Amino acid sequence: ELKVEQNPLFLSMQEGKNYTIYCNYSTTSDRLYWYRQDPGKSLESLFVLLSNGAVKQEGRLMASLDTKARLSTLHITAAVHDLSATYFCAVDPYNFNKFYFGSGTKLNVKP
Amino acid sequence: GAVVSQHPSRVICKSGTSVKIECRSLDFQATTMFWYRQFPKKSLMLMATSNEGSKATYEQGVEKDKFLINHASLTLSTLTVTSAHPEDSSFYICSARVSLAGGLINTGELFFGEGSRLTVL
Repeated sequence: ELKVEQNPLFLSMQEGKNYTIYCNYSTTSDRLYWYRQDPGKSLESLFVLLSNGAVKQEGRLMASLDTKARLSTLHITAAVHDLSATYFCAVDPYNFNKFYFGSGTKLNVKP
Repeated sequence: GAVVSQHPSRVICKSGTSVKIECRSLDFQATTMFWYRQFPKKSLMLMATSNEGSKATYEQGVEKDKFLINHASLTLSTLTVTSAHPEDSSFYICSARVSLAGGLINTGELFFGEGSRLTVL
């Protein structure tokens, strides 16, 4: 059974701090996606990682992919309250057949 | 990014009635759309893959007769929850991938509709 595991599931942090969210998956996949979900809202695409070693940055968020370790990270730098949301990673191991989502990491950044 | 529009965003209905949710790709053609269900504070659960011009592919445990999916055109898929009951109350989200002409896939990124919150009384 394919598993996509995120940790931590909950993260409470102070503004200005750094932290990393981890996404491990159990099968080969060259593609990994990060999404953000605000309460009561749908999912917003953050990053598309399409190869081993891919690194993408947008503002205070940086995502990377290590396909050999089957690991992706989402790093938060100098967190601000606006980053409070739930973050999901997803893999697409069978090339466009279906996405498998992690359980999500609920981030709360305290002012 | 590509735009996927979902309607209605909220619907409240009585038990036993049917509810239709529409999902449209506004600026691209989507040969495949996906329907997800999300329980409160949980991750997304894939319900079915909607294929234009053919039958939907349902995930294990999802009742085909309960959740009717129709993908009549390259820009529209519908999910009908038939004879809805309170346990069907949930947040339903559709998504689609951008396809280049000829059915080739771009980055494979999924774009999501706004979601539909169904409450069955």
